[in-house]
Amino acid sequence: GNSVTQMEGPVTLSEEAFLTINCTYTATGYPSLFWYVQYPGEGLQLLLKATKADDKGSNKGFEATYRKETTSFHLEKGSVQVSDSAVYFCALYGGATNKLIFGTGTLLAVQP
Amino acid sequence: GAGVSQSPSNKVTEKGKDVELRCDPISGHTALYWYRQSLGQGLEFLIYFQGNSAPDKSGLPSDRFSAERTGGSVSTLTIQRTQQEDSAVYLCASSLLPEPGASPLHFGNGTRLTVT
Repeated sequence: GNSVTQMEGPVTLSEEAFLTINCTYTATGYPSLFWYVQYPGEGLQLLLKATKADDKGSNKGFEATYRKETTSFHLEKGSVQVSDSAVYFCALYGGATNKLIFGTGTLLAVQP
Repeated sequence: GAGVSQSPSNKVTEKGKDVELRCDPISGHTALYWYRQSLGQGLEFLIYFQGNSAPDKSGLPSDRFSAERTGGSVSTLTIQRTQQEDSAVYLCASSLLPEPGASPLHFGNGTRLTVT
C-alpha cells in the first residue's frame, strides 16, 4: 500500500542555518505530495504541495521538488528562523480513496 | 472564528467508559476527516465523510469506534468501552472539495484523550 517515510527528529538548528527534512514515499500510480506544518498550539496547515513529477512546491521560503526517480519530496529552506520551529509532516494522496497518508512528523527546533 | 473547532480539547476517562468527540468543520466544507495521532506515530486515518455519508471508514480500529455526521456539518466520533490504547490526540479536518489534492485540509487543534 501507499506509505510515507520521513526523517526522525528532532532537528535542532541555529537561526539562518540551511534546513533539509527528508521524505520518501511508496505508491502506485502518480500520487500528489504535500508538506503540512503544525506550529505550537495550532492545527496542522498546508505548507506546500506538488501534484506531478518535477513540480516544485514553494511557500514562506520553503521548497520541495517531486522526484519520481528517487520517490522523494525533501523539504528545504535556505535560512531558517526561530518562527519556523514546528512539526513538519510529509503526506501523500494516491487517488484510490479520498484520504491523505501522513508520515510520522519531524520536530524542528530553531535556536536564536 | 472560521476554523475547525473540536471539543472537548482534553478528555480524561476511565477504562470501559464511552466517550464522544465533537467536530465543527468550516462552514461549506463538504469533506470531513478524522485522524488519530499517537505518541511517536504519524497521523492515522480513521474515517472520511462526503456530506453525511462515509465512503471510507477503513481506518476505524475496531467496532468500538463509530462516527456520524449530520446536516453535512457537525461530526461526532464515539468510542465505546474505552481502552488504554485508545489514548491519543484525535484530529478532525475539513476541506472544501472531496479530493485532498484539489483543496487543502484544514485541521482543528484536536482532542487529547487519556484513558486511565
